[in-house]
Amino acid sequence: GAGVSQSPSNKVTEKGKDVELRCDPISGHTALYWYRQSLGQGLEFLIYFQGNSAPDKSGLPSDRFSAERTGGSVSTLTIQRTQQEDSAVYLCASSPRVSGHGYTFGSGTRLTVV
Amino acid sequence: DQQVKQNSPSLSVQEGRISILNCDYTNSMFDYFLWYKKYPAEGPTFLISISSIKDKNEDGRFTVFLNKSAKHLSLHIVPSQPGDSAVYFCAARARLTSGGATNKLIFGTGTLLAVQP
Repeated sequence: GAGVSQSPSNKVTEKGKDVELRCDPISGHTALYWYRQSLGQGLEFLIYFQGNSAPDKSGLPSDRFSAERTGGSVSTLTIQRTQQEDSAVYLCASSPRVSGHGYTFGSGTRLTVV
Repeated sequence: DQQVKQNSPSLSVQEGRISILNCDYTNSMFDYFLWYKKYPAEGPTFLISISSIKDKNEDGRFTVFLNKSAKHLSLHIVPSQPGDSAVYFCAARARLTSGGATNKLIFGTGTLLAVQP
């Protein structure tokens, strides 16, 4: 597609439930990133996929968080047993392998855990 | 450990005047710096970047200055326009110890710019 697409745009879930957030990157972009922005905070790095290399998971805050990227394209971020502190906007971005213009971000998924 | 810091959470300027947004970093392995602009309910969009081998990069109304010795960069917007009102994020990319490049960016906490008509 023309841009990075994320779904759903908004998600309200009960504490303890699992959620899946989806990201469709720009076609041909080999790198895909997940960040999150909590209220009043900056963009916190979560995970980075680059081609067929092992992903950089160094930003995942706990083992309740996982992500996969199937076929080098679509990515799913899964949060198990959600907690209220997981409430944030989850942003996905993609880029060519090396890009002097950084990333193209999607509009994000606003997750609210009640 | 906040490697990229934007110490001003907000800034208000008059239309037509200069806006100066500041960013400090701690990691000497950063070799590329970027500024992003974010409107509410949208993802951040790339604005301008600078390599660590330069000290200035200009693109229209936007200029980024890099002072490596001070580990400081700034974004100048002149003249400021009401449409520039947004959150501005500074970001940095680290050079790998292997010498290769990574696209992983570390972001600051952002500065909310309000340009008053």
